[in-house]
Amino acid sequence: KAGVTQTPRYLIKTRGQQVTLSCSPISGHRSVSWYQQTPGQGLQFLFEYFSETQRNKGNFPGRFSGRQFSNSRSEMNVSTLELGDSALYLCASSLSPGKSSYNEQFFGPGTRLTVL
Amino acid sequence: EDQVTQSPEALRLQEGESSSLNCSYTVSGLRGLFWYRQDPGKGPEFLFTLYSAGEEKEKERLKATLTKKESFLHITAPKPEDSATYLCAVVSSSNTGKLIFGQGTTLQVKP
Repeated sequence: KAGVTQTPRYLIKTRGQQVTLSCSPISGHRSVSWYQQTPGQGLQFLFEYFSETQRNKGNFPGRFSGRQFSNSRSEMNVSTLELGDSALYLCASSLSPGKSSYNEQFFGPGTRLTVL
Repeated sequence: EDQVTQSPEALRLQEGESSSLNCSYTVSGLRGLFWYRQDPGKGPEFLFTLYSAGEEKEKERLKATLTKKESFLHITAPKPEDSATYLCAVVSSSNTGKLIFGQGTTLQVKP
């Protein structure tokens, strides 16, 4: 079974530009979450999508946005890039949150974004 | 506020020298505690899920345990290939779609 895939793997942008990252979840998984990982802050939650709806959002500015398509694939967009946006952006998929238990999230390899 | 603290930040072991990693958590209604392993430049790899105090899970040289306040990841007779950063994360009942991560423990096992 194929894992979570993310494209592109590496990206270099300049300040002020915008960027779109893509994530394809494991087949059958309907929930997709996005995280930002930096050496200083560690892994921080950006947002979660389920059935094309944003269910949860982390404490990030409105420049960070996302969406999910009917096939569960997801994209995240960062507008007006800042130097501090340089990070590893990770996508994770899970079956769907259950009522009595919680399904594990499986991560992709990430997209390394460098903002110059 | 939900919070996860891991200790130590870094750990150096000789091959075969067993040890434990700690994950302390404060969360409003624990729905699950997760351990991941992350190698440099890669995404976290899922290891274990623990749901309730007293639960234990094992996989090869790793064993995870859970109490009401903390979790331990015990590494028995580690090998150099166990070198990685180990991450602990929790999900609370108020935010079921959101993993809250600790800062991780970077383990180095020397031959």
